[in-house]
Amino acid sequence: QKEVEQDPGPLSVPEGAIVSLNCTYSNSAFQYFMWYRQYSRKGPELLMYTYSSGNKEDGRFTAQVDKSSKYISLFIRDSQPSDSATYLCAMSAKAAGNKLTFGGGTRVLVKP
Amino acid sequence: EPEVTQTPSHQVTQMGQEVILRCVPISNHLYFYWYRQILGQKVEFLVSFYNNEISEKSEIFDDQFSVERPDGSNFTLKIRSTKLEDSAMYFCASSDGGIAANVLTFGAGSRLTVL
Repeated sequence: QKEVEQDPGPLSVPEGAIVSLNCTYSNSAFQYFMWYRQYSRKGPELLMYTYSSGNKEDGRFTAQVDKSSKYISLFIRDSQPSDSATYLCAMSAKAAGNKLTFGGGTRVLVKP
Repeated sequence: EPEVTQTPSHQVTQMGQEVILRCVPISNHLYFYWYRQILGQKVEFLVSFYNNEISEKSEIFDDQFSVERPDGSNFTLKIRSTKLEDSAMYFCASSDGGIAANVLTFGAGSRLTVL
């Protein structure tokens, strides 16, 4: 079983729709959960950062973590064409200087 | 907004040659990292660096790889004898200490092509 699994997509939605992304993981030691956005041939850009289980909202973005199910989600409301990118989940077991384990990324296309 | 700067943006080299990839992390950050992404594959951790020493490294980071922070501002990744399978995008990242230590800021990447 892969340590972090993420549907590669592509996920195509009309502008204004809600985008729903998720990752599953197998390592119960993961406590820190992140979502990154990556445009083609660019570096990952942090969108959301959460610790342990729960929800976090930031503007149009909502991140959810369910440690009991080893499942994390990212929701993007009122999606825009500029949200078209690859979304990567990432996880870490420790707070500092520790490696992030990434999912393979989901490609999202928001059509005008 | 502070950013992580990487050079070169693209380097083409012959198999067996040495390559040095350079990074200027965000100035007040304490932790430094190299990741790589082979085309179409996951972003993979290579190494983390803190307090002038390696704090963690992956199985990929073998004796062919080394990192250095020679002057307090630059952070370099050296590949001693490149192989075809080293062709990838290499990302440098840095993070602050404390509760922000897991908040990594990535550079735009250096594309390495080994022929």
